[in-house]
Amino acid sequence: ETGVTQTPRHLVMGMTNKKSLKCEQHLGHNAMYWYKQSAKKPLELMFVYNFKEQTENNSVPSRFSPECPNSSHLFLHLHTLQPEDSALYLCASSQDPAGSYNEQFFGPGTRLTVL
Amino acid sequence: DQQVKQNSPSLSVQEGRISILNCDYTNSMFDYFLWYKKYPAEGPTFLISISSIKDKNEDGRFTVFLNKSAKHLSLHIVPSQPGDSAVYFCAASARGGSQGNLIFGKGTKLSVKP
Repeated sequence: ETGVTQTPRHLVMGMTNKKSLKCEQHLGHNAMYWYKQSAKKPLELMFVYNFKEQTENNSVPSRFSPECPNSSHLFLHLHTLQPEDSALYLCASSQDPAGSYNEQFFGPGTRLTVL
Repeated sequence: DQQVKQNSPSLSVQEGRISILNCDYTNSMFDYFLWYKKYPAEGPTFLISISSIKDKNEDGRFTVFLNKSAKHLSLHIVPSQPGDSAVYFCAASARGGSQGNLIFGKGTKLSVKP
């Protein structure tokens, strides 16, 4: 595996379900990100992890809970979501987000539908 | 309030001609700009970038121009090919600010017709 991978690619869940999205990067990067892309909206940054430490939470509701056990893996735990949370969730990684030019590499995304 | 704006949601160009995608920004602290390309069912792919110390960066068929006084950048693709049909996102960041986070525009869908 190379680059940034995400599983599952598609997920349908009810509002009472609990599910998790997984991201793995094989690039040796130190920073990982979760983005949300809704229809006709810019990519919205949700969370940033730098060297496994969360450095940004962009006012995301608590029904989204990130976890970064190491620099290569990132999870997004989902519980009691709302239909408006249906979107494409993208994971990205970069070498170092702090104070340097910041090219991010994206995974293919998880298309989430909340019923 | 959008800090990065791509005012054209779509653009259609004939194969072989030039495609010009535009992007405007409002934050004068931005000093690094990137273009990403996204095909359906795939994540965005980095295409080309430019720092604020330059006004032009070229990579093969792709050239990005930066006009700092106008807070405007553009991506030129020449010659355009059908495989270039995708959504193009402009992104900007302020080095040293907010951990270097990228702010994205809404994207422009480019269609290159054979």
